Amino acid sequence: NAGVTQTPKFQVLKTGQSMTLQCAQDMNHEYMSWYRQDPGMGLRLIHYSVGAGITDQGEVPNGYNVSRSTTEDFPLRLLSAAPSQTSVYFCASLLERGVGTQYFGPGTRLLVL
Amino acid sequence: SQQGEEDPQALSIQEGENATMNCSYKTSINNLQWYRQNSGRGLVHLILIRSNEREKHSGRLRVTLDTSKKSSSLLITASRAADTASYFCVFEGSARQLTFGSGTQLTVLP
Repeated sequence: NAGVTQTPKFQVLKTGQSMTLQCAQDMNHEYMSWYRQDPGMGLRLIHYSVGAGITDQGEVPNGYNVSRSTTEDFPLRLLSAAPSQTSVYFCASLLERGVGTQYFGPGTRLLVL
Repeated sequence: SQQGEEDPQALSIQEGENATMNCSYKTSINNLQWYRQNSGRGLVHLILIRSNEREKHSGRLRVTLDTSKKSSSLLITASRAADTASYFCVFEGSARQLTFGSGTQLTVLP
C-alpha cells in the first residue's frame, strides 16, 4: 500500500490564482481530512469527509472547497489564493472515526505571493 | 479556538533523561492520541488512549489520561537524540472531530 499520498510537494502561487491539492489513499478508509499547519502551531482542521459524497467544514474552512466523489480521493481546492493561505497542508485518512490510527500524507508546502 | 493546550511549549533535556509533556482539553472526549512530527516531515502516530483507560504503555512511551481533570500526559523514558521532534496531542470530542493541541517541541541533547 502507498498509504496517503499528496501532490504537489511544493507550490508557489500568486494572489488570486486557484489550484487543487491532491490527496489519495489506498487503504479503503472512510474518513479523510485536510489540515493546515502554520509556524509554531498545531494542525487546524479545514474540511473533512466521512465517506464518498459527504463532506463537512472543520475549524478553518473559508477559502477552501472539497469534494469526495470516490473513497480514494479527497482534493482540496483554493478558489482565490491569498497570502494568508501560505502554509503546509496535510491530508489524513482514518478507517473510521473513533477507531484506530489516523495516517498522514507527507504534506504540501504552499507559498502565496 | 477549540485547540487543546500543551505544555511546555518547548522542552530541552539531556540524552538519557525522561521527558514529560502535558495536554489539556475542554470538552468530553472519546479518545486521545499522541503524534510525533520531525522537522519538515509528516506526522507519525505514537499511541491512542480511550476515554475509559487511565494509562497505556508502548515501548519507552507512557501515556496517562485523567478525564476528571481533562488532561493527558506523555512520558518518554530514557530519551535519545532521535526523539527530538514536536509532539502533538489529538483528541476526538463529542462532535467526532479530531482536534490538535498546540504542540511541544522536544530537544534531546547528546
